[in-house]
This record gives sequence, structure tokens and C-alpha cells, in this order.
Amino acid sequence: DGGITQSPKYLFRKEGQNVTLSCEQNLNHDAMYWYRQDPGQGLRLIYYSQIVNDFQKGDIAEGYSVSREKKESFPLTVTSAQKNPTAFYLCASTTGGGANVLTFGAGSRLTVL
Amino acid sequence: AQSVTQLDSHVSVSEGTPVLLRCNYSSSYSPSLFWYVQHPNKGLQLLLKYTSAATLVKGINGFEAEFKKSETSFHLTKPSAHMSDAAEYFCVVSDLGNKLVFGAGTILRVKS
Repeated sequence: DGGITQSPKYLFRKEGQNVTLSCEQNLNHDAMYWYRQDPGQGLRLIYYSQIVNDFQKGDIAEGYSVSREKKESFPLTVTSAQKNPTAFYLCASTTGGGANVLTFGAGSRLTVL
Repeated sequence: AQSVTQLDSHVSVSEGTPVLLRCNYSSSYSPSLFWYVQHPNKGLQLLLKYTSAATLVKGINGFEAEFKKSETSFHLTKPSAHMSDAAEYFCVVSDLGNKLVFGAGTILRVKS
């Protein structure tokens, strides 16, 4: 079945460490997104990519980095520069163009100890 | 700039009674509007979307929403709540530039 796979589902990190969250899709979607979810704040856009080898900052990109070397993959690195990284991270994709529907992964919960 | 306000952070209903989750939006253009549902520790799933066709939109699991331009509202309803409807619901607006703005979410509790 087509879908989006995020890993790991749960991740613990010590302060000062970088961590990378994986996002893989087999939907042949062009556009991919990373959102951060905090209780009572909805979803906030971190980065997005509409084609391979290109990506743009979203509303809260500081302290994060991404790459898009393959159409299927859009990993997110949470760097030590991110002041408050504990959150639920969601990856999504869409075919791109127009008000298309997003398909979401199951999310990764990052906790900084 | 577009924005979304979900008027209730929590809604509690009894099983078998109607559900109403309220959403107001602000947009400079004719927007596209969506409702998504999220069960605990899961991703979001599309319930329904409005894209300037019929103002009453039917979605999955018996949910529907009505687009009211004069009231700038897109409230989500269901005639009879089921225990499995307990989840968090997000109203989303998409503007001319296809940027999506998410509401803060409404947590629906269903009592037996």
C-alpha cells in the first residue's frame, strides 16, 4: 500500500545533540512537508520541498535543516541550535499544485532529556 | 493573510447525540477549506474539503461541513456521535498561494 513512513516513532535526545528524523513516501508525490505540532497550537510548517534538490523555509525553520536528494525521501535534522525541540513532528506529501490534499505520516515524537 | 479560528478547544458530547465543531476563517481570496482528524499519536487524515463547488460538503464517517461566506464559517457536524469519533479535529484554510494554515485544534470527547 502507498503511504508515508516516518521513523523513529519515539526518540530521546540529550541537549546539544543533533538528531535526524526520517520520512519516506512511495506515493510518487512531488511535494513534501515537515510540520511541528505542540499541544493547543495546531501544526506549524518547518520546511517544504516541491521538487528534488530544492526546498524552502517555512514559518519556524530556525534550528532545523533538511535535504531532498531523492523524490521519495525528505529527512529532517533537529540541530542543537533548536531551543525547544521537544515536540511531535509530522511529515506530509502531496502531488503539488492547487489546493491538494496532504497525506500524513504517523509522526515522530522527540523528547529532549 | 489568511487565518483560522477554532472556537472551542474542547467539546464533549454523549454517544448518539449531534456533534458541532466550529471554525471561522479569514481570507483575502476565495479559499479552499479542509477538516482533518487526528487520533492520539497518529498522523492527520482528511475528513472533507471545500473547493468552491457545493457549499455543503459531505465527508467520511458521516461528517459534513457547510461553507457560509457571509459568516466566514466552515463548521463541522455529525448527526450522531460514535465512541470512535473521539479525536482532535483541525480546520485548515488554503489561500491563493496554496499555503495551508491550521487551526489550533478541537479535542472531541464522546461519553458513553
